[in-house]
Amino acid sequence: GAGVSQSPSNKVTEKGKDVELRCDPISGHTALYWYRQSLGQGLEFLIYFQGNSAPDKSGLPSDRFSAERTGGSVSTLTIQRTQQEDSAVYLCASVGRTEAFFGQGTRLTVV
Amino acid sequence: AQSVTQLDSQVPVFEEAPVELRCNYSSSVSVYLFWYVQYPNQGLQLLLKYLSGSTLVKGINGFEAEFNKSQTSFHLRKPSVHISDTAEYFCAVRIRQETSGSRLTFGEGTQLTVNP
Repeated sequence: GAGVSQSPSNKVTEKGKDVELRCDPISGHTALYWYRQSLGQGLEFLIYFQGNSAPDKSGLPSDRFSAERTGGSVSTLTIQRTQQEDSAVYLCASVGRTEAFFGQGTRLTVV
Repeated sequence: AQSVTQLDSQVPVFEEAPVELRCNYSSSVSVYLFWYVQYPNQGLQLLLKYLSGSTLVKGINGFEAEFNKSQTSFHLRKPSVHISDTAEYFCAVRIRQETSGSRLTFGEGTQLTVNP
């Protein structure tokens, strides 16, 4: 497609379960970011990919969070043993030469 | 490392009034600067960007911003706002380099509320 696609758009999960969030970036974009936006908060950087490697994963809040990218395209963000504080909107951005294009996000609710 | 400060968390204005949303950044190297807008329950949309050249950049929806290197600022302005401009606005900075590989750092956001 022409834009950044994220799935699912909404996810409700029980505390302690694992979740996987998916991002399909714009074709040809080599760089990809994941951010988290909690209610009423700004954007918290999680991880950045250049191709399939992650030169900057300093924003991952704990070892329960991991991400991978395969084929220089699709990326998945996995949260293990989810906690209520993980509830947020998770945004993916696909980066062109200079600017980032954002998906609509996945709204994660941990109950 | 670069950082961004948005000086106002909330800006209420009346319709048709002018508005300025302030953004200051810090970086030891040259940067690209961006303003994004987020309407309620939507993703982020690029308003405008400064890459190089003219320090006054124009974006969508009648917004403009001016890059001031000496003051390390990139304030967003609109001469006359509409109700539909009510949204969260984010200033962002990225280190200027040949590849797309560097972190995009955001400010905390400014909630613009336009009242009738």
